[in-house]
Amino acid sequence: SQQGEEDPQALSIQEGENATMNCSYKTSINNLQWYRQNSGRGLVHLILIRSNEREKHSGRLRVTLDTSKKSSSLLITASRAADTASYFCATDDNYGQNFVFGPGTRLSVLP
Amino acid sequence: DTEVTQTPKHLVMGMTNKKSLKCEQHMGHRAMYWYKQKAKKPPELMFVYSYEKLSINESVPSRFSPECPNSSLLNLHLHALQPEDSALYLCASSLDRPSYEQYFGPGTRLTVT
Repeated sequence: SQQGEEDPQALSIQEGENATMNCSYKTSINNLQWYRQNSGRGLVHLILIRSNEREKHSGRLRVTLDTSKKSSSLLITASRAADTASYFCATDDNYGQNFVFGPGTRLSVLP
Repeated sequence: DTEVTQTPKHLVMGMTNKKSLKCEQHMGHRAMYWYKQKAKKPPELMFVYSYEKLSINESVPSRFSPECPNSSLLNLHLHALQPEDSALYLCASSLDRPSYEQYFGPGTRLTVT
């Protein structure tokens, strides 16, 4: 399998600070996605980056992808208490099948 | 309408019961998914339906039986479950394959006693 893995597992920051989460995967991918999950609820899609893209922005989110290192990072700028959640990366394979989530990073933003 | 609905929200069942989880979307998506998520773990893909055909079955025990009656509905039939099957069961949908953005329902919290 091509398990994505997040780093760190847990992160606590103050409101207004930036939060960076990293994801690594093992095999070639079609694209990589980031999702957010508030406690015990459904996941919300944040951003999708294709294998031929290196960086993507969406509001306060910035995602990078380095296919040579098989890694991605998610940066949340100017964090807010409402950003407190678990963040997962997820990858598919080159055929667009087999969707695998990484273990996730639990982010706590303290007011 | 970008909502995926799931019923029930909570379910408690005995190991001899038969129950069903239901999922519905009206976004015109042709791929639908069932995931299982244990506490503090990532979701694990169980089944993928693409154009109402089962395309991925991730070695899930036969006590879980998926059904896709039409392109908007997805069911998960449960029979003779074990206590370790207690988890949050999430339904999702996307355009026509997992590599597209997936929309998730709120989940069904299942407890097997």
